[in-house]
Amino acid sequence: DVKVTQSSRYLVKRTGEKVFLECVQDMDHENMFWYRQDPGLGLRLIYFSYDVKMKEKGDIPEGYSVSREKKERFSLILESASTNQTSMYLCASTPGGHEKLFFGSGTQLSVL
Amino acid sequence: DQQVKQNSPSLSVQEGRISILNCDYTNSMFDYFLWYKKYPAEGPTFLISISSIKDKNEDGRFTVFLNKSAKHLSLHIVPSQPGDSAVYFCAASARTGNQFYFGTGTSLTVIP
Repeated sequence: DVKVTQSSRYLVKRTGEKVFLECVQDMDHENMFWYRQDPGLGLRLIYFSYDVKMKEKGDIPEGYSVSREKKERFSLILESASTNQTSMYLCASTPGGHEKLFFGSGTQLSVL
Repeated sequence: DQQVKQNSPSLSVQEGRISILNCDYTNSMFDYFLWYKKYPAEGPTFLISISSIKDKNEDGRFTVFLNKSAKHLSLHIVPSQPGDSAVYFCAASARTGNQFYFGTGTSLTVIP
């Protein structure tokens, strides 16, 4: 089975801190994604990557950056955390084409 | 603009009855549709998918129907069980792109 692992289930950070969320997948998938989930807003795409060192902005990239130095790892960076970035962050991967997304367990981030 | 819409934020159903969750989309390029189930504090798990070349796909208690002319899909769960209580997201993608577009979710409660 495909495994998508997010490094933390719960994280509490202070406003202004730089935050790193890590995601690793073990199935050699080409495409990786970062979403955030907020009540009433569904899953919104922050960034995605279709290859190493390649990235594309999603619908809400402001305040975030990403890094994909290795195929299996996709990191989400909050340059200067703000309270409106308190959310559930979900990493996902897919081999590409019409294949389903596999999600990690999520990271619930609270910014105080 | 939301390309995938779930207009019912919540749904309550008696155990044993049918649950019908609806989803509408606007982009005629979408040709692959998925349903995900999500429990609180967990990542979404894949339920069932359908390609635009079909109008129905079944997997056990779950059936997805696709009406391309109406740009509408629905998920039927029969019979509903208390363990089905979760948030359900529909998603869509186009063969020409790498992105998946999600609806805002429907919270299903199955009453014992």
